Amino acid sequence: DAGVIQSPRHEVTEMGQEVTLRCKPISGHNSLFWYRQTMMRGLELLIYFNNNVPIDDSGMPEDRFSAKMPNASFSTLKIQPSEPRDSAVYFCASSLQRGPSYEQYFGPGTRLTVT
Amino acid sequence: KQEVTQIPAALSVPEGENLVLNCSFTDSAIYNLQWFRQDPGKGLTSLLLIQSSQREQTSGRLNASLDKSSGRSTLYIAASQPGDSATYLCAVKSSGDKLTFGTGTRLAVRP
Repeated sequence: DAGVIQSPRHEVTEMGQEVTLRCKPISGHNSLFWYRQTMMRGLELLIYFNNNVPIDDSGMPEDRFSAKMPNASFSTLKIQPSEPRDSAVYFCASSLQRGPSYEQYFGPGTRLTVT
Repeated sequence: KQEVTQIPAALSVPEGENLVLNCSFTDSAIYNLQWFRQDPGKGLTSLLLIQSSQREQTSGRLNASLDKSSGRSTLYIAASQPGDSATYLCAVKSSGDKLTFGTGTRLAVRP
């Protein structure tokens, strides 16, 4: 199993530019999660999907952030326009939801730097 | 709102020592608790998952316990090795599908 795949691994962009982060969950998993990690705030859940449907996006910081999951094997997190405070590591995780308790598997993350 | 705290924030021990990492949470109505390891610049690796009905889980030199009523979990690492050096995070699932993460314990095992 290839695990959760994220691309790019590193992204450096200028303020105001659009950034798109990509995630391929583990095959067969039906839940997908986007997290952001910073030194100040730790790991925060941004949004999660179940069966490709967004369930809770209350963690999305503002309208500049949007996420989509067009099919079971692909999701994107877009920031438009990007700002320096968006600099962080963004993780994607997936799980097989079979009840209230299940394990989440994380991708390697995308390190985003906005200058 | 669930809050998760980990103590200590950082720990440095000589190789071979047994050690305990602590995790506490404010809302005892949880579904499960998960311990992760994070190496610098890397993603999170799941170490152990304890269901709310369980008291402990073991994997190799790792043992995690859960006392749901008191809102506490401990991760015990036996015979620590330099390769155990990493940041250890605990996370609780208490409503919906969300995981709430602790602040992490940065562990350094000296050869």
